[in-house]
Amino acid sequence: SQQGEEDPQALSIQEGENATMNCSYKTSINNLQWYRQNSGRGLVHLILIRSNEREKHSGRLRVTLDTSKKSSSLLITASRAADTASYFCATDAWNTGFQKLVFGTGTRLLVSP
Amino acid sequence: NAGVTQTPKFQVLKTGQSMTLQCAQDMNHNSMYWYRQDPGMGLRLIYYSASEGTTDKGEVPNGYNVSRLNKREFSLRLESAAPSQTSVYFCASSEGNRGEQFFGPGTRLTVL
Repeated sequence: SQQGEEDPQALSIQEGENATMNCSYKTSINNLQWYRQNSGRGLVHLILIRSNEREKHSGRLRVTLDTSKKSSSLLITASRAADTASYFCATDAWNTGFQKLVFGTGTRLLVSP
Repeated sequence: NAGVTQTPKFQVLKTGQSMTLQCAQDMNHNSMYWYRQDPGMGLRLIYYSASEGTTDKGEVPNGYNVSRLNKREFSLRLESAAPSQTSVYFCASSEGNRGEQFFGPGTRLTVL
């Protein structure tokens, strides 16, 4: 069962524009993580936000978390062609003694030059 | 550091054949994981190993077995492959109980 659902499924923008992806989940979490996957490659960790945090920044990435709405968003500012990839949110449920990430279905981002 | 490595990169099997997917990490991580990724879906956890000597089932363990050979290596075995096991398999590791996971490049498996 997929806990995280991403929206939109696909996003196409021009270089320099901002890209926003949203993630909704169902149960209380310990943390939420965002990963990037380039075509045919493994996932790369981007950022982790804990349940007691509301916003986190890393370079051109900004992640927000609203635990009352069980949702998170990933903003990529000033996008580049190299940002073209699939982006996944992954949740670490609160009631597990060991982290077992549950991944969403992903957002495919296409950044055109 | 190579990070997380997986072999083979590609494999084609016939229904009923068996094979073992190999995974190794050189980051001295305690925890290791096996996921499968199917088209249009996120990753689903097959098995995990919280530490050397322990393994536990994830979300989709049926048809698979694992071995945590030592701290570095975590293998996934398909005893009798089925077409439903056609997928891309990813191994991952993490330093501790929670936090960032590091992924290997994946094994693309086709079962005919």
